[in-house]
Amino acid sequence: GQNIDQPTEMTATEGAIVQINCTYQTSGFNGLFWYQQHAGEAPTFLSYNVLDGLEEKGRFSSFLSRSKGYSYLLLKELQMKDSASYLCAVDTGGFKTIFGAGTRLFVKA
Amino acid sequence: EAEVAQSPRYKITEKSQAVAFWCDPISGHATLYWYRQILGQGPELLVQFQDESVVDDSQLPKDRFSAERLKGVDSTLKIQPAELGDSAMYLCASSSGTSGGPGELFFGEGSRLTVL
Repeated sequence: GQNIDQPTEMTATEGAIVQINCTYQTSGFNGLFWYQQHAGEAPTFLSYNVLDGLEEKGRFSSFLSRSKGYSYLLLKELQMKDSASYLCAVDTGGFKTIFGAGTRLFVKA
Repeated sequence: EAEVAQSPRYKITEKSQAVAFWCDPISGHATLYWYRQILGQGPELLVQFQDESVVDDSQLPKDRFSAERLKGVDSTLKIQPAELGDSAMYLCASSSGTSGGPGELFFGEGSRLTVL
């Protein structure tokens, strides 16, 4: 079966750092995506990890451990506009991407 | 900048009626996906095309849903008859898939369906 787990909701303060975790158990694994989705809008691409380790892209970083079936998205210097859902998604092979339920992040002043 | 086009943005219909959604992917993208997203949940893959061929439609409720991509470019997703539980956002996405995997998915703005 396919299982992707992430927390339902998180709240953090403007200017702080927040880490959103994702664990997965899938029948195939080529890599892991993170997407951002603002309310009522389509998801937009944030990152794609294939190898173990941390990849940094501006205020956002994404980490992958293939052996542990674990990833996290790290957001630094939080801004109000970062309030959104963050979707963890697995490239399971065969050009197929499966999404988790998403984590709703609320950034408060 | 190239975009995935979808229409209509919003559709309100009564149960038992027919509904159709259209998607035009980014030019040159061979892979096209239809996802359904219920409020508060992640996108669920309904159907995946590689050019004009269906690669995966295992989660498509085939008694009422159909999808086609006749010339390997734009695509139509149809629901007939619509049921109350079909109320959701229908997202179309495309990818070039040139790296041996799906690559980044580019999503359209979505079609929000409300069934009354």
